[in-house]
Amino acid sequence: KNQVEQSPQSLIILEGKNCTLQCNYTVSPFSNLRWYKQDTGRGPVSLTIMTFSENTKSNGRYTATLDADTKQSSLHITASQLSDSASYICVVSPNDYKLSFGAGTTVTVRA
Amino acid sequence: GAVVSQHPSWVICKSGTSVKIECRSLDFQATTMFWYRQFPKQSLMLMATSNEGSKATYEQGVEKDKFLINHASLTLSTLTVTSAHPEDSSFYICSARRTGGAEQYFGPGTRLTVT
Repeated sequence: KNQVEQSPQSLIILEGKNCTLQCNYTVSPFSNLRWYKQDTGRGPVSLTIMTFSENTKSNGRYTATLDADTKQSSLHITASQLSDSASYICVVSPNDYKLSFGAGTTVTVRA
Repeated sequence: GAVVSQHPSWVICKSGTSVKIECRSLDFQATTMFWYRQFPKQSLMLMATSNEGSKATYEQGVEKDKFLINHASLTLSTLTVTSAHPEDSSFYICSARRTGGAEQYFGPGTRLTVT
């Protein structure tokens, strides 16, 4: 069973709207949680990285939250743009060596 | 900083031939590099971890004789898919970890199609 579960699998939103992606994990111990953006046919690009003690981290219109007690994270995209169309991957690290990848949420932004 | 490149970005080869994919850290030294494979609509799956100057460590189920990894310098790792078959067609992504650091920086990926 995958230790990092993301939902929804995919979503479609209108340009300018907001959306929130979810990530639940069972990875233990926990070192950090990262959100990546992966454009089609490209490698992942880091958006945010949070350690156990951090509750929220922003990168422009992207805001990630972390609840280490419930082992949940979310990624909020504000005022979506067409260029936000991509797969968003939640990655949890038990240490600095191993990464556990979620399957990703595919976001499609329509004009 | 922390740019990782891959070459080629895409390659088509015939079944039974071998193909080499390069991963380079352009502006930093990387003691450790990682090779991943990603099938459509699936997560990245770690294939192997390569450390400069030593043998690669392969994940369970990955054939080391089929996927040859060489990490001969602090800025270059290569993955050679030997005797490629259509089922090896996939998106191969490398990442590099800066010497002394923890963050992994991903390359842009290489699309391999075996006909």
